[in-house]
Amino acid sequence: DTEVTQTPKHLVMGMTNKKSLKCEQHMGHRAMYWYKQKAKKPPELMFVYSYEKLSINESVPSRFSPECPNSSLLNLHLHALQPEDSALYLCASSKRGELDNEQFFGPGTRLTVL
Amino acid sequence: GNSVTQMEGPVTLSEEAFLTINCTYTATGYPSLFWYVQYPGEGLQLLLKATKADDKGSNKGFEATYRKETTSFHLEKGSVQVSDSAVYFCALSEGDDKIIFGKGTRLHILP
Repeated sequence: DTEVTQTPKHLVMGMTNKKSLKCEQHMGHRAMYWYKQKAKKPPELMFVYSYEKLSINESVPSRFSPECPNSSLLNLHLHALQPEDSALYLCASSKRGELDNEQFFGPGTRLTVL
Repeated sequence: GNSVTQMEGPVTLSEEAFLTINCTYTATGYPSLFWYVQYPGEGLQLLLKATKADDKGSNKGFEATYRKETTSFHLEKGSVQVSDSAVYFCALSEGDDKIIFGKGTRLHILP
């Protein structure tokens, strides 16, 4: 299995809602990533988990809360988002200890905040 | 700091034309280099990679050669198809957890 899966594919939420994005991989990768991608822009790194511990937080607002329940799963909890948070949210995974850090991306969740 | 610069496009070509998308990089060490492709409405897919100088990455008719002397990793394809229409991102990694992406090049292929 060389896939990274993400659910849901689309999500519409209000500014007072709480929702979660889910990501799963079964490649035995020990690093997992959340990216945010706005239209016509490259992905921007948000968080990195390495061996299920948060290793990088790129100064992301606290209304985004990541969670890594086990080595295969990564969640992103959303609360009190703003309309400017509307974007494509991409999950990725990679092996650790590899010099090239090849990352495998999921198809993304397209989030719209009303 | 590390950075990647690529032509932003859009690039519009006719089917069967030759494609070149330029990419240059700045890095303090010896990075690995990647080309990712993003088809409309999808996530990113790794197209090809090269991990050291003079390596050539290739996949689906696309090629790119890691040129340390010119700090470049230009993407080429001899004969493009309509199905190649997508956004192409050049990227580098120095083995830590971060990938540095270029701004992306939108490619349109006309039948």
